[in-house]
Amino acid sequence: SQKIEQNSEALNIQEGKTATLTCNYTNYSPAYLQWYRQDPGRGPVFLLLIRENEKEKRKERLKVTFDTTLKQSLFHITASQPADSATYLCAPGMDSSYKLIFGSGTRLLVRP
Amino acid sequence: EPEVTQTPSHQVTQMGQEVILRCVPISNHLYFYWYRQILGQKVEFLVSFYNNEISEKSEIFDDQFSVERPDGSNFTLKIRSTKLEDSAMYFCATRTSGGVDTQYFGPGTRLTVL
Repeated sequence: SQKIEQNSEALNIQEGKTATLTCNYTNYSPAYLQWYRQDPGRGPVFLLLIRENEKEKRKERLKVTFDTTLKQSLFHITASQPADSATYLCAPGMDSSYKLIFGSGTRLLVRP
Repeated sequence: EPEVTQTPSHQVTQMGQEVILRCVPISNHLYFYWYRQILGQKVEFLVSFYNNEISEKSEIFDDQFSVERPDGSNFTLKIRSTKLEDSAMYFCATRTSGGVDTQYFGPGTRLTVL
């Protein structure tokens, strides 16, 4: 069955450093992958979408890579700030269905 | 910026009772979704809705659940006979186009079944 894996342990980093979060998937070949941010008690908020034919996508301090050979996406936040502290969810997707299937998320804590 | 809104923010109900959760989508959005998140667990897809009919549903979305767009604006999720395990945050999400597009999530309704 399809599986999405994100680090279940929280990532704890110092302000100003680069945070790197990992999303691995197995048993399917998504056409695209989306990253969302979720704060406690709130709904997910869209951050970035990357297609299978794109190696990398950037938006301000955010960068996403998508390696279809490794079946992995990396999500980077450069010059991290305490306000970046949240849970980050990845959602690989298929063109045949636009529902979002989320990973369990990785909690990021940025220390001042 | 337009937002998806949901009411109520918190609903407490007794097991076996019916609940209706309401969502007001962003005005030009055509595709509607319900997701749920049990405390400490991941966000799970329940159902998608387009052109006044269900386009896809998950195994969770059994006969106890139903969705409708009664008045062309609100999008509702009804749980006919709530169970303890229905306690969760329920998120409505909407999107605009027919292709891959961002889904915009509402703030959620916390459902507590006693």
